[in-house]
Amino acid sequence: QVHLQESGPGLVKPSQTLSLTCNVSGASISSAGHYWSWIRQPPGKGLEWIGYVSYSGSTHYNPSLKSRVTMSEDTSENQLSLRLSSVTAADSAVYYCAVGATWYINYGMDVWGQGTTVTVSS
Amino acid sequence: QSVLTQPPSVSAAPGQKVAISCSGSTSNIGNNYVSWYQQFPGTAPQLLIYDNNKRPSGIPDRFSGSKSGASATLDITGLQTGDEADYYCAAWDNSLGNVFGTGTKVTVL
Repeated sequence: QVHLQESGPGLVKPSQTLSLTCNVSGASISSAGHYWSWIRQPPGKGLEWIGYVSYSGSTHYNPSLKSRVTMSEDTSENQLSLRLSSVTAADSAVYYCAVGATWYINYGMDVWGQGTTVTVSS
Repeated sequence: QSVLTQPPSVSAAPGQKVAISCSGSTSNIGNNYVSWYQQFPGTAPQLLIYDNNKRPSGIPDRFSGSKSGASATLDITGLQTGDEADYYCAAWDNSLGNVFGTGTKVTVL
């Protein structure tokens, strides 16, 4: 059973870089067919897909965030990471990692982390 | 500003049915799969429907999904107080990547 756990600093200063980690257990992040997504949700608002890093290490980012986002994977630690640069208050949100972990699901993320709250403030 | 449009809210009495629409385009729903998520306050979203109309294990058959053209619908029958939550559709957009709908709050009267 796949389990995801996000972690990172809860407070980031404006203009700095937000860095989060998603610890993966129950599956290898390099398992074929897995696309590991980051999603965020500002307070009181809807879900926004940030991007994914695939099992092969390829990435695909939301065009609106592409210039500021870097996603990577650490296969030795079985962890994913998200970096978002030049943050502003608009980047304050709950950040989730998620994946479609079940082999017969073509489209849908059936495993989510519990989320980690990030506040951008001086 | 999401490219998938949902009604902000829907409501019905217990036992009744609600339908949540999700309107997109040929760049997303019209040519790709749709999924639906349920989210209770303070918790992570949960997958309700994948591949347009399939339910993950453990999801009651009161929840069903359908797709027609560039629109999708989530039906909830036999509405229960425990169904009060926010619901989001999602689809892959050929230009934007994964996109979520604007979200719909379901209220049980």
